[in-house]
Amino acid sequence: QKEVEQDPGPLSVPEGAIVSLNCTYSNSAFQYFMWYRQYSRKGPELLMYTYSSGNKEDGRFTAQVDKSSKYISLFIRDSQPSDSATYLCALGDSSNTGKLIFGQGTTLQVKP
Amino acid sequence: DAGVIQSPRHEVTEMGQEVTLRCKPISGHNSLFWYRQTMMRGLELLIYFNNNVPIDDSGMPEDRFSAKMPNASFSTLKIQPSEPRDSAVYFCASSLNGNGYTFGSGTRLTVV
Repeated sequence: QKEVEQDPGPLSVPEGAIVSLNCTYSNSAFQYFMWYRQYSRKGPELLMYTYSSGNKEDGRFTAQVDKSSKYISLFIRDSQPSDSATYLCALGDSSNTGKLIFGQGTTLQVKP
Repeated sequence: DAGVIQSPRHEVTEMGQEVTLRCKPISGHNSLFWYRQTMMRGLELLIYFNNNVPIDDSGMPEDRFSAKMPNASFSTLKIQPSEPRDSAVYFCASSLNGNGYTFGSGTRLTVV
């Protein structure tokens, strides 16, 4: 079993839709939860960072963490064609080394 | 800040040749990570350094791979001899005390 599971998609939605992206994990040692966005032929860029259960909102993006269920989500409201990218969840433990384990990534296409 | 700088952007080499990938992390960052990304396996951590010291190289596929960080502003990943299955995008990332990564643009390696 992989440490982090993420459905690779692809996921195709119409412009303006609400998008839900999810990851599950197996190791309860993970304490830091991040979402990265990767455009084609680019490096991943940090989108959201949280370390506690609950919701964190930033503009159209909401990151949700449920440590008891080992489940994390990223919601995108009012999705735009410019949101078309691959979204990767990343999890870190409490060792403070910064080592992250990434999900496979979900490819999202927002159609105008 | 120029971000994490990787070179070359693209590398095409013949099987058996030595390949050297280079990375300049963000000034002041104390951790550096080398990842490999393929469609099949996603982002895989190869090795990471903390304060120029290799901490975990368990992700290095085999002895053909080696990485060095002679100072805080430079790291190399070397493959010798290269094989077609090494074809992938190699990313370097840096961070300060584990507070999220900044990735470079990657080196797309093709071994023919």
